[in-house]
Amino acid sequence: GENVEQHPSTLSVQEGDSAVIKCTYSDSASNYFPWYKQELGKGPQLIIDIRSNVGEKKDQRIAVTLNKTAKHFSLHITETQPEDSAVYFCAAPSSNTGKLIFGQGTTLQVKP
Amino acid sequence: DSGVTQTPKHLITATGQRVTLRCSPRSGDLSVYWYQQSLDQGLQFLIQYYNGEERAKGNILERFSAQQFPDLHSELNLSSLELGDSALYFCASSASDVDEKLFFGSGTQLSVL
Repeated sequence: GENVEQHPSTLSVQEGDSAVIKCTYSDSASNYFPWYKQELGKGPQLIIDIRSNVGEKKDQRIAVTLNKTAKHFSLHITETQPEDSAVYFCAAPSSNTGKLIFGQGTTLQVKP
Repeated sequence: DSGVTQTPKHLITATGQRVTLRCSPRSGDLSVYWYQQSLDQGLQFLIQYYNGEERAKGNILERFSAQQFPDLHSELNLSSLELGDSALYFCASSASDVDEKLFFGSGTQLSVL
């Protein structure tokens, strides 16, 4: 069935380093790929999204890259800060239902 | 602040009981989504309403039901509660009926004892 796999499940970096989270999807017709950040006690917050007609998108320290051939997309966070510590979720829509399928999440810890 | 309001924040109840979770979407958003988040299942889509009508159903149990009212707020009703229903329940809203640019509320933590 349709699936979104996210790796790694946990990631620990030093403040100032870069962090990369990768997701693979199974539905080749998926055309929209959002990333959400969930802080403790809060709901997921959309931080960046990309469409399938674009290979890369940047927003300050955050970027998302998409490889349609390999069916994977990645979140890149540069110059990490302690406030980047959170759980990050990727998602991709099912071409059958149009509903977003979320990855299992990556817990990012940025050590000061 | 996402602009999506969920009440209550916490709910503790017993097995067999029925509860109602409430959601007010962002101003102007017509779609309301309900998700269940548990440690082992991640974020699971339950149901979507668009402008008062049911638009899509996901892994929602028959014991669960929802509705969207004319003022666009939504309620999720959970009945005959079981221990396994304990989870975080999120509401999200978006402007259109397409799953893009979803804004999530802070969730309702349900504990079934």
